Amino acid sequence: QKEVEQNSGPLSVPEGAIASLNCTYSDRGSQSFFWYRQYSGKSPELIMSIYSNGDKEDGRFTAQLNKASQYVSLLIRDSQPSDSATYLCAVRLSGGYNKLIFGAGTRLAVHP
Amino acid sequence: ETGVTQSPTHLIKTRGQQVTLRCSSQSGHNTVSWYQQALGQGPQFIFQYYREEENGRGNFPPRFSGLQFPNYSSELNVNALELDDSALYLCASSFTGTRNNEQFFGPGTRLTVL
Repeated sequence: QKEVEQNSGPLSVPEGAIASLNCTYSDRGSQSFFWYRQYSGKSPELIMSIYSNGDKEDGRFTAQLNKASQYVSLLIRDSQPSDSATYLCAVRLSGGYNKLIFGAGTRLAVHP
Repeated sequence: ETGVTQSPTHLIKTRGQQVTLRCSSQSGHNTVSWYQQALGQGPQFIFQYYREEENGRGNFPPRFSGLQFPNYSSELNVNALELDDSALYLCASSFTGTRNNEQFFGPGTRLTVL
């Protein structure tokens, strides 16, 4: 079982729709969760971090965390073509140092 | 506030050679982590440097080594390059000392081994 799993996609949504990206993780003790956006040929850009169960909203982005189900998601409202990118879920493992484990990413395509 | 910088942007080496990649951390940060990202994969943790010492290591062989300098910048060295070392090498900067130590990536170095 992979430590962090994401659906590779592509997830195709029309412009203006809500895109829903999902991630599951195996380390039950993990406390910190991150979403990065990566455009083709570029490096990952941090867009959301979440540490407590529930929802966290930042502009058009909402991160949702359910530690009991070991599940974290990212919602993108009013999706724009500029949101087309690969979204990486990262989990900081419990204990020790600040090491992030990444999923393979979900490719999102927003079409006009 | 200056962001994370990396050099060089691109590098082409042949098998068996050695390479050094450089990273300058974001202003106010004291920790540097290095990741390797193969095409179509998520970044994989190589190691982390804090207070000029290796503070954790992923599943990479000893030919991957690093340094951190007093100004918190860092180097990644790879000896005896193999074809599978071709990847995007990412440096991430963070601050160790708070609970929520988010990591911010530099632009990366694209290494091609022929």
